Amino acid sequence: DAKTTQPNSMESNEEEPVHLPCNHSTISGTDYIHWYRQLPSQGPEYVIHGLTSNVNNRMASLAIAEDRKSSTLILHRATLRDAAVYYCIPPVQGAQKLVFGQGTRLTINP
Amino acid sequence: GAGVSQSPSNKVTEKGKDVELRCDPISGHTALYWYRQSLGQGLEFLIYFQGNSAPDKSGLPSDRFSAERTGGSVSTLTIQRTQQEDSAVYLCASSLGLHPDTQYFGPGTRLTVL
Repeated sequence: DAKTTQPNSMESNEEEPVHLPCNHSTISGTDYIHWYRQLPSQGPEYVIHGLTSNVNNRMASLAIAEDRKSSTLILHRATLRDAAVYYCIPPVQGAQKLVFGQGTRLTINP
Repeated sequence: GAGVSQSPSNKVTEKGKDVELRCDPISGHTALYWYRQSLGQGLEFLIYFQGNSAPDKSGLPSDRFSAERTGGSVSTLTIQRTQQEDSAVYLCASSLGLHPDTQYFGPGTRLTVL
């Protein structure tokens, strides 16, 4: 199964862009990368997923490296409500479950 | 629309007692998952249901833990003879069971074993 590596924590300022990196060097060619986040005292929530090309939705953008060994979650204008733990989720072969690592704790300064 | 709901939101019990935690998934979601989150272990998978069957029970930590799902909807997680190390937030999620899939999480049940 693929594994992911993320920085333990990051800090940014309100209304600035945030780039959250994830390394997944062991990912296979057909594996999707998913990102979830967990706001304080809440359950995790889906953010975005992608396979090869960059993806955009109302919450964020996902930039996937050409070799697919890494990806970057981009919050274009961070708000205080974006303060959360962000998880880059590796695919698990033959299984539906999500495997959560430690994630990146994002702090947003006003 | 209604999201995943869980009850109770908080449960305090004494060591050795049995507890039941309930999850109501989003209507129409065939897949249902239980996870738990504790300070020492992070977020860990417990069990996955597709319909009423559980093809993946690999995360259940001991035989004191069991879960069932009836009518392809509501699920109950039962912990027998609770121990202090069972204290955690128990999270339920549901999804359409597609590939790739998106899981929708409930607010969790905070279990405290005294």
